[in-house]
Amino acid sequence: GQQLNQSPQSMFIQEGEDVSMNCTSSSIFNTWLWYKQDPGEGPVLLIALYKAGELTSNGRLTAQFGITRKDSFLNISASIPSDVGIYFCAGQRFNAGNNRKLIWGLGTSLAVNP
Amino acid sequence: NAGVTQTPKFQVLKTGQSMTLQCAQDMNHNSMYWYRQDPGMGLRLIYYSASEGTTDKGEVPNGYNVSRLNKREFSLRLESAAPSQTSVYFCASSYPGTDTQYFGPGTRLTVL
Repeated sequence: GQQLNQSPQSMFIQEGEDVSMNCTSSSIFNTWLWYKQDPGEGPVLLIALYKAGELTSNGRLTAQFGITRKDSFLNISASIPSDVGIYFCAGQRFNAGNNRKLIWGLGTSLAVNP
Repeated sequence: NAGVTQTPKFQVLKTGQSMTLQCAQDMNHNSMYWYRQDPGMGLRLIYYSASEGTTDKGEVPNGYNVSRLNKREFSLRLESAAPSQTSVYFCASSYPGTDTQYFGPGTRLTVL
């Protein structure tokens, strides 16, 4: 099935560093979502984006809906140990109609060295 | 609100055994989903239910059946478990007309 191209696949950073990850697609999307999954838990929604160019923050997290509607990025500033986990992007394609299935990236695994 | 709940949290089966994974949500969501998560494969949709009384196949439906018992509950059944079905299974639900999905804590299934 179709998947989003999410990069990088993994990151290992020092505490206090900033982090950037992104998702791209060949299709136009109406919605971009960013989730975080802690070890042993289900994914939790971090940020939802609904308009091209939209820039939304949630604490130290900032995400943007690309102007072409084919990409999105997530930034984490001043990382802390509890940022460890897997970050997933997901989107809903333009013209999906009543089909509410999301398209998912494969995730970015983040490790933070205290 | 408990959100999305799943039972059991862990399960070990022998090849050929059957079992049902239970999922319930108390957020009055219309749509519910079942995913499996395997290392390096991300989240793959097994089945979903856009509304009570309807179910549709996702990306990897073979070997599974589902039942949307009512608006709150959506169960996933493995009729004859196989080792390839060893995975973590997540249930999710979403508000009517939106794409934002809310996930349960998962069921970790091992098939020997």
